[in-house]
Amino acid sequence: AQSVTQLGSHVSVSEGALVLLRCNYSSSVPPYLFWYVQYPNQGLQLLLKYTSAATLVKGINGFEAEFKKSETSFHLTKPSAHMRDAAEYFCAVSDQGTGRRALTFGSGTRLQVQP
Amino acid sequence: ETGVTQTPRHLVMGMTNKKSLKCEQHLGHNAMYWYKQSAKKPLELMFVYNFKEQTENNSVPSRFSPECPNSSHLFLHLHTLQPEDSALYLCASSQGGTLNTEAFFGQGTRLTVV
Repeated sequence: AQSVTQLGSHVSVSEGALVLLRCNYSSSVPPYLFWYVQYPNQGLQLLLKYTSAATLVKGINGFEAEFKKSETSFHLTKPSAHMRDAAEYFCAVSDQGTGRRALTFGSGTRLQVQP
Repeated sequence: ETGVTQTPRHLVMGMTNKKSLKCEQHLGHNAMYWYKQSAKKPLELMFVYNFKEQTENNSVPSRFSPECPNSSHLFLHLHTLQPEDSALYLCASSQGGTLNTEAFFGQGTRLTVV
């Protein structure tokens, strides 16, 4: 079964600083990968997804992620953090190996943005 | 507005009560899911329905009983819950057939069992 690991349960950056949230996957077949954001007391909202087209994927709110097969990574970045980016971020994978449709989520990274 | 609506948003229930959570999607999707989100734990997939048929039950206790009367509606019936069942319950839907489609989530029901 495929899985994702998010390194760092909490990340704190200053407003205007680079945001880097890490996600590594384990997979025996090319994965489909997703990043979601969750604001307090809300559901999850899709930021971006990788579906084997371009390895650099641009999403909403200025976020992007790069698929690196050699590193089995799909890290999320944003050049300049805003206060409104404070939220929890989840990396997810769909299991092409089994055809299981439901996404498997990482444990999440809470992003704090300091003024 | 994500196209997936969950009601109620908040629910407080006693351990002997029976209640139901409702999820409705207006996206024309044919797969629906229940997830449980507890503090300090990863999202846990509970149930999966495809075309109204349950295709996955991840060892969920029988005090949680799902129902999917059609592709647009999903319920989670609750009875004799425990305090540790307090969590945010998220419903999601997706377009079946391919694995590269994302899931759309509702805003969740915050459940507190007292």
